Amino acid sequence: GEDVEQSLFLSVREGDSSVINCTYTDSSSTYLYWYKQEPGAGLQLLTYIFSNMDMKQDQRLTVLLNKKDKHLSLRIADTQTGDSAIYFCAETTSNTGKLIFGQGTTLQVKP
Amino acid sequence: ETGVTQTPRHLVMGMTNKKSLKCEQHLGHNAMYWYKQSAKKPLELMFVYSLEERVENNSVPSRFSPECPNSSHLFLHLHTLQPEDSALYLCASSQGFGDSNYGYTFGSGTRLTVV
Repeated sequence: GEDVEQSLFLSVREGDSSVINCTYTDSSSTYLYWYKQEPGAGLQLLTYIFSNMDMKQDQRLTVLLNKKDKHLSLRIADTQTGDSAIYFCAETTSNTGKLIFGQGTTLQVKP
Repeated sequence: ETGVTQTPRHLVMGMTNKKSLKCEQHLGHNAMYWYKQSAKKPLELMFVYSLEERVENNSVPSRFSPECPNSSHLFLHLHTLQPEDSALYLCASSQGFGDSNYGYTFGSGTRLTVV
C-alpha cells in the first residue's frame, strides 16, 4: 500500500541549513512534493520532483531523491524565522493518481 | 489569495445543526477534493470529484455529504456531527484527477468546532 513517513519535529538556529526527511513505500511513485503549512493557513506547494530525477534546486530549496531507498529530502539553506511551519511530503503514483501525504514535520527556527 | 477560496474560515456548530462548507476555484481545474486535517493525524482524503462526478469516497460517514454542482464549486454539507469531527477541512483542486504534475492547489481551510 501507499505510505509516507516523516519525522515529526526539527529545530534549527536561524542561518543554519535545515534538512527534512521523508520515506515512502510505493515504488510506482511518479511525482513527489513538498508542501508548507503556516499556522492557520492551507497547504502551499513549495516544490516537486519527478521520479526520474535525483535532484532539483530552487533558490534556497534543494530536493534530493534516492529512488532506490525511497527517500526524499528537503534542504533549506540559510533558514529564516519565516520558514517556521509544518512541511508535508507527498507522493502521487501511477496506480491511483491520488496525492498521499506524510504526517508533516514541524520546523522550529530559533533566532 | 491562493486561487482556491473556502468559506467560512471558522465555524462553530452544535451536534444537531446543519451547515455547509463552500469551496470555489477559478483556476480552470477539473478535479476538486475535500481533506480533513485533525491534530496529530495525517491528512485524510475524504472525497474526490472529477468533472463534477464523485470518483472517490473514502469510507466517510454519511453525516458528511459532498456536492459538486459545477467544476468551480464544491460543497460539504454537514449534519448531526460529533465532537470528534472537529478539525480543519481543506479543499483542493488540480487540473485533472490523476494528472497531478503540478500538485494540488489548496484553500486556507475551514476550522470546524463541534460543540
